[in-house]
Amino acid sequence: EAGVAQSPRYKIIEKRQSVAFWCNPISGHATLYWYQQILGQGPKLLIQFQNNGVVDDSQLPKDRFSAERLKGVDSTLKIQPAKLEDSAVYLCATFGGMVNTGELFFGEGSRLTVL
Amino acid sequence: AQTVTQSQPEMSVQEAETVTLSCTYDTSENNYYLFWYKQPPSRQMILVIRQEAYKQQNATENRFSVNFQKAAKSFSLKISDSQLGDTAMYFCAFMKGYGGATNKLIFGTGTLLAVQP
Repeated sequence: EAGVAQSPRYKIIEKRQSVAFWCNPISGHATLYWYQQILGQGPKLLIQFQNNGVVDDSQLPKDRFSAERLKGVDSTLKIQPAKLEDSAVYLCATFGGMVNTGELFFGEGSRLTVL
Repeated sequence: AQTVTQSQPEMSVQEAETVTLSCTYDTSENNYYLFWYKQPPSRQMILVIRQEAYKQQNATENRFSVNFQKAAKSFSLKISDSQLGDTAMYFCAFMKGYGGATNKLIFGTGTLLAVQP
């Protein structure tokens, strides 16, 4: 089966510009996560979706970050305006079961550099 | 709140040797899961091994095994017969065990393992 697809793989922008990342989950996976991985740190959860509903967005900087999952399939994560500290790899991960066993399926990530 | 600590930012091992990566965690939960994830350079993160806290027996997956010390809140990963393909960032992770699809993984800061030929 196809894995989790993310695009773009790399993006370089100036501060105060906007950027959007896209994630296509494994078919049928209802749970979708966006993690932010800053260099030298572990992934930090930004937002979690169950189908098209938000389960947890407590660590999402809502003044600049937004995310949606229309129709409960693809998801987009947007940053506007970007700051230097947003430079990171943005990971999308999905899970397809009813009881979360912790085996998430990750995409290759989208690396953002803010200059 | 749960925390996961990996105190070894980088480690190196010779091919075919054994290496142990350390992880400690803090939680007041009694039911939880622990994981080791592997992130190869420029490739997606994958699950290496999983341990349920209620199980006393340490999990093993081929060359990978864990030493789970619940009282000490310690969860180390042992890689035997190290191979060049084991070169990667390894993350220790924690998840509450109350079930449901709303659980989330909490990651440590990672250990970069280099396997030397």
